Amino acid sequence: KNEVEQSPQNLTAQEGEFITINCSYSVGISALHWLQQHPGGGIVSLFMLSSGKKKHGRLIATINIQEKHSSLHITASHPRDSAVYICAVRGSQGNLIFGKGTKLSVKP
Amino acid sequence: DADVTQTPRNRITKTGKRIMLECSQTKGHDRMYWYRQDPGLGLRLIYYSFDVKDINKGEISDGYSVSRQAQAKFSLSLESAIPNQTALYFCATSASPGGINYGYTFGSGTRLTVV
Repeated sequence: KNEVEQSPQNLTAQEGEFITINCSYSVGISALHWLQQHPGGGIVSLFMLSSGKKKHGRLIATINIQEKHSSLHITASHPRDSAVYICAVRGSQGNLIFGKGTKLSVKP
Repeated sequence: DADVTQTPRNRITKTGKRIMLECSQTKGHDRMYWYRQDPGLGLRLIYYSFDVKDINKGEISDGYSVSRQAQAKFSLSLESAIPNQTALYFCATSASPGGINYGYTFGSGTRLTVV
């Protein structure tokens, strides 16, 4: 079993829809990261969180440490949100363990 | 200029050739990492370095070596490239734990094809 599991693997949405991507992990962590990878390949860090909730524009990330679960929400989705979203957890040594990613496609 | 710069961006090489991928950063971060990404798999750690004198193997270090020439430079070498090393390679940096900006910054990636 992978230490970091994301769901769904693929997601297609219509422009304007509310989107949720889930991440569950099985190891102790010091922080959890949400990353975005565009078709060109580059990876951008969206959030780093260790408790509660963070918001940046239309993106919201939450984490429940007790349940070892995090969600990434996108409100009012737009075609430019189409990308692969990656959950990664940081262990005690500081290294990241990555999920396999969720490929999001937002149709106009 | 990008905070984390990888060169080259794309490279096609032949089996058995030695190749070096370079990474330089202007973040001032102590920690640097090399990851590879394969289709359908998450990023996997090849090597990491917490400072110039500290080099550590990751989960898939076989067939690779690294050099931390300076705080800002971390190179990955494939001594004798093989086709299953075809992948997208990322360099990343982070500050030490407890730092105010303890996040990760990724380079743009190097797409390597071994034929």
